[in-house]
Amino acid sequence: AQKVTQTQTSISVMEKTTVTMDCVYETQDSSYFLFWYKQTASGEIVFLIRQDSYKKENATVGHYSLNFQKPKSSIGLIITATQIEDSAVYFCAMSEASSSFSKLVFGQGTSLSVVP
Amino acid sequence: DAGVTQTPRHEVAEKGQTIILKCEPVSGHNDLFWYRQTKIQGLELLSYFRSKSLMEDGGAFKDRFKAEMLNSSFSTLKIQPTEPKDSAVYLCASSLGGGRYAEQFFGPGTRLTVL
Repeated sequence: AQKVTQTQTSISVMEKTTVTMDCVYETQDSSYFLFWYKQTASGEIVFLIRQDSYKKENATVGHYSLNFQKPKSSIGLIITATQIEDSAVYFCAMSEASSSFSKLVFGQGTSLSVVP
Repeated sequence: DAGVTQTPRHEVAEKGQTIILKCEPVSGHNDLFWYRQTKIQGLELLSYFRSKSLMEDGGAFKDRFKAEMLNSSFSTLKIQPTEPKDSAVYLCASSLGGGRYAEQFFGPGTRLTVL
């Protein structure tokens, strides 16, 4: 069975610095997809970035990038030049390519606080 | 384009009542998901529809939770009878589907309080 673990409950960083949030996963599948979502204080959940397990290059979108270490079953989210509005809860999730349906398993989330 | 809409945004119910939560997915999306979010359990999948067919009915949530998708643009989640432990945020999400790589678009959620 799939499992996603985020061990960092909360992180606080200074504005304009770089932060990394950790995520490790468990899967029996050889092909899978990893996602990061952001939940703002209003409760809104939005998709940020995706990593396909068969791709060696780390995904990058805007000031979000991933540190994908397949042998360690790890997918870290890196936010560079953090802004106050990056303060939110960040969820790591995965889906297995061989699954008969498109099912996401989420981690518990990491609360990020960006302070001036 | 309209995103995922959910109504009501807040619901207060007495123990034992029946409540129905509503969701309208993004137009053209084939997959629809219902999640429950609590501080303790996090995000848990309740139900999953692909092209209106129920693919996942939530395992442990089966007995009092029933999701339906009467047409491609409308879904309901019925909880009957409600219990205080059902107090949570219920989120609806949709995606284009077509693969396990598809991102999900979430609605604003319904905050349910059961007294």
